[in-house]
Amino acid sequence: DIQMTQSPSSLSASVGDRVTITCRASQSISTYLNWYQQKPGKAPKLLIYAASNLQSGVPSRFSGSGSGTDFTLTISGLQPEDFATYYCQQSHSTPLYAFGQGTKLEI
Amino acid sequence: QVQLQESGPGLVKPSETLSLTCTVSGGSISSYYWSWIRQPPGKGLEWIGYIYYSGSTNYNPSLKSRVTVSVDTSKNQFSLRLSSVTAADTAVYYCARLSGLYTSGSYQTYFDYWGQGTLVTVSS
Repeated sequence: DIQMTQSPSSLSASVGDRVTITCRASQSISTYLNWYQQKPGKAPKLLIYAASNLQSGVPSRFSGSGSGTDFTLTISGLQPEDFATYYCQQSHSTPLYAFGQGTKLEI
Repeated sequence: QVQLQESGPGLVKPSETLSLTCTVSGGSISSYYWSWIRQPPGKGLEWIGYIYYSGSTNYNPSLKSRVTVSVDTSKNQFSLRLSSVTAADTAVYYCARLSGLYTSGSYQTYFDYWGQGTLVTVSS
C-alpha cells in the first residue's frame, strides 16, 4: 500500500511569509496528487489537483509542484485566512485516495 | 452550485449498522462518482469508498468487508452503510463528489465538492 507522509506536522508562520509543505509518497505516483485546506469544523477544500493545477477560485498565492514521490505546496504571502490544516492526497494506487496525516499551519 | 448534505443518526450502538444518506442539490447525480470520507475527532482523513451513478463501486480495502454504498438517482441521493461498528468508527463522515479530467496525458481525479460533515458517535 502507498503511504503518504507530510512534513512538517505543524508549522508556525507570520502573515506575509512564504511557506512550503512537503508530501512524500512511498512509491511513485506520477502527478496523481491533490492538496486540500481544512479549517476547524469545516469540510476540506480542494486547492491543487494533479500536483500543480490550481482549482478554480483558489488564490494564485497557492502553488503546487512535484512528481514521482516528492511534492510541495507553497503559499506565497500568507494571509490570515490561510491558517488551517493542509492535506495531500494521492489518487494513483491502493488504497485509492489515501491522505497524508496533515500539516497544521499556525500563526 | 452543487451542494451536498449528509443526514442520519448521530449516535449508533456498538455492533450495529451506521447508515447515512447524502442528498445532492444544484446538479444531477448522473455522470459523476460520489464518495464517502471520514475523519475521527482530531485525526486525519480516511477515504471509505465511492459509487458511480450507474451503481459500480470501489471501497477502501481496510473497510471493504463492512461497507456498502448505494445510489438512488431518482432522489439524487447516495448512501453509506457500515456494519458491526465499534468506537473506532466514531468520526465526522463527509460525502463528496469525485471529479476528473484529462491533463498532461493522464486522467486525474479529485474531490471538488464536499458536504458539511456529520458527526457519528458509536456508544452504548
